[in-house]
Formats: sequence, C-alpha cells, structure tokens
Amino acid sequence: AQKITQTQPGMFVQEKEAVTLDCTYDTSDPSYGLFWYKQPSSGEMIFLIYQGSYDQQNATEGRYSLNFQKARKSANLVISASQLGDSAMYFCAMREGDAGGTSYGKLTFGQGTILTVHP
Amino acid sequence: AAGVIQSPRHLIKEKRETATLKCYPIPRHDTVYWYQQGPGQDPQFLISFYEKMQSDKGSIPDRFSAQQFSDYHSELNMSSLELGDSALYFCASSLQGLSYNEQFFGPGTRLTVL
Repeated sequence: AQKITQTQPGMFVQEKEAVTLDCTYDTSDPSYGLFWYKQPSSGEMIFLIYQGSYDQQNATEGRYSLNFQKARKSANLVISASQLGDSAMYFCAMREGDAGGTSYGKLTFGQGTILTVHP
Repeated sequence: AAGVIQSPRHLIKEKRETATLKCYPIPRHDTVYWYQQGPGQDPQFLISFYEKMQSDKGSIPDRFSAQQFSDYHSELNMSSLELGDSALYFCASSLQGLSYNEQFFGPGTRLTVL
C-alpha cells in the first residue's frame, strides 16, 4: 500500500498567489515525521519544512507552512506569495519511528507534484 | 556551510560494467543514506549506515553493495550494470539527536547505462 500519496501530478499558480500541495500518508506508527522537499530541474533535493507527529502547532518556514491534520492523515504544503523560482517538483516524505529527533529511519517519498508558477 | 559531496556528478557506463559512487557526508554527521531516483520517479531508499554499521536496507539489488569507511565517507558499488540502473543516485547525511534529524541531500550522481 502506498504510504505517501500526492494526488496532484501538476499544479499551476499565478505569481504572488498562494498554492496548496496535497499530501496524505498512511502509518500505524505513532511516532513519525513528515517532510517536504523541493527538486528543481537541476535535480538537487532541497529541504523545505518538517512536521513531527507530536507537534502541537503547524510548522512554518518563511513562505512555507504545513497544514497538518493528524486525524485525516494529511500534511499539505502551503506556499504563500508564489515566485517564479518556486517552479519545481515537490515531494512529500515520511519517516517512521521518529522519537524526539532520534531516528535512523529512511524517508518514503510520494510521487511528487510539479508546480508551475506563471508570471 | 559544508554540504554533502558526491562524486562523480555524471557517469556513463556500458551494460555489465561496474560503477562506484562516492559520498562525503557533512562533517560530524554520523548517518549516511543512499537513494535511487529513476526518470520521472520518486526517490527510493537503498541502504543506510550509522556509525559505519549498516542500519537499514531497502530495495537494493544484490548486484549493489555499499559500505561506510572510518572517515565516514560511503561508497555504493554497482556491478553487472543494467539499463534499468540508469538513475539519479542521491546520498544524504544526518546527525542523530538534532531537533528533527533532517537529512541533507547531496547533488546526486546521474548514472547512464548504455
């Protein structure tokens, strides 16, 4: 069964507008971490934001925020004030077995969403 | 700040040849991960090492082997290469005990098997 599901193969947004990229996950582990990575066409993987399963508040990092709905097992990425440089592939990933930052756990990635920002 | 270094960045091999990919983690990082990303695919976990010992193993073919050395650099050895091995290979490193133990990815090695 797919552990991380990103149902939007592609998304389009106008520059300066906000966009939400969807991510749902499936795990029976009570301790897990959720990550978002950006992969530009050049190929590198850039870490954006992290949410731990026990975190009470939604994570925010600059223009990025994570809409974490634990009961629905969703961890959507919200990018505010989109910029042309935000055009890239975005991956949601999960690490199971998180326990206060101590985990050797591998990342399991979703299929990715290609975001295109129009001027 | 120092980042994860991978070499070579690009590699072209023929079928049935061997390849060695190298990864130099961020200094003081104690865990190394290898991922394979096929064309248009999401990265798939291959193997990881913590303090030079294998800590987890994913869908790594038997033709592949990896190790982490005393200086913490890691090598992924790939033998009897197949066309399907063409992919972007990422190495990532992390330090246990940090606030959320982020994995820092290297730039990747793009392997093309002809």
